[in-house]
Amino acid sequence: SYELTQPPSVSVSPGQTARITCSGDALPKQYAYWYQQKPGQAPVLVIYKDSERPSGIPERFSGSSSGTTVTLTISGVQAEDEADYYCQSADSSGTSPVVFGGGTKLTVL
Amino acid sequence: QVTLRESGPALVKPTQTLTLTCTFSGFSLSTSGMCVSWIRQPPGKALEWLALIDWDDDKYYSTSLKTRLTISKDTSKNQVVLTMTNMDPVDTATYYCARMIVGATIGRFFDYWGQGTLVTVSS
Repeated sequence: SYELTQPPSVSVSPGQTARITCSGDALPKQYAYWYQQKPGQAPVLVIYKDSERPSGIPERFSGSSSGTTVTLTISGVQAEDEADYYCQSADSSGTSPVVFGGGTKLTVL
Repeated sequence: QVTLRESGPALVKPTQTLTLTCTFSGFSLSTSGMCVSWIRQPPGKALEWLALIDWDDDKYYSTSLKTRLTISKDTSKNQVVLTMTNMDPVDTATYYCARMIVGATIGRFFDYWGQGTLVTVSS
């Protein structure tokens, strides 16, 4: 089955830039989406269509795509950004219309 | 204002069938591009997509769980129901329903989520 691969954890100091990657063979053909999940809460969409930011999401959140890897970048990380981040996409065959990555725990030191 | 709310038993016994209901408001599941999906998350673990149903009543299931899952909708009641058979302790998780938007130029993504409901499988 199709998989999206994320690093288990990323750590940064406040004010620095955090980059979280997500890799998958179908990413050149399928859009990727990013969700932020804080403890005890439902996920929140922070990036859609690889690099678009929903209304209400701070400008420090951005997304990019290159080949089989997409990247969520958080510039000027704040303490409130500490959370789990999940990428989501689909395979190219239509067998798996929704796939989540394994999640990345962002720790703000 | 879009809202979704999950309801169902908090505790089920092994081998039983779980039935969860997602009651939503603020949109119609008969509108083109609208879908409702179920996602679960075991304690301390990652999100796992389970199933989705779209505006045209097409249904899609996780390949690893498809033999155990059934999703259906009642458009008049604004409800989507998920059943999962033969429950096991490893199925203990928070179960979320979420609205999915589908479009040729935007792909498919979840823009609204319910608060989730914890289901524990134990004898």
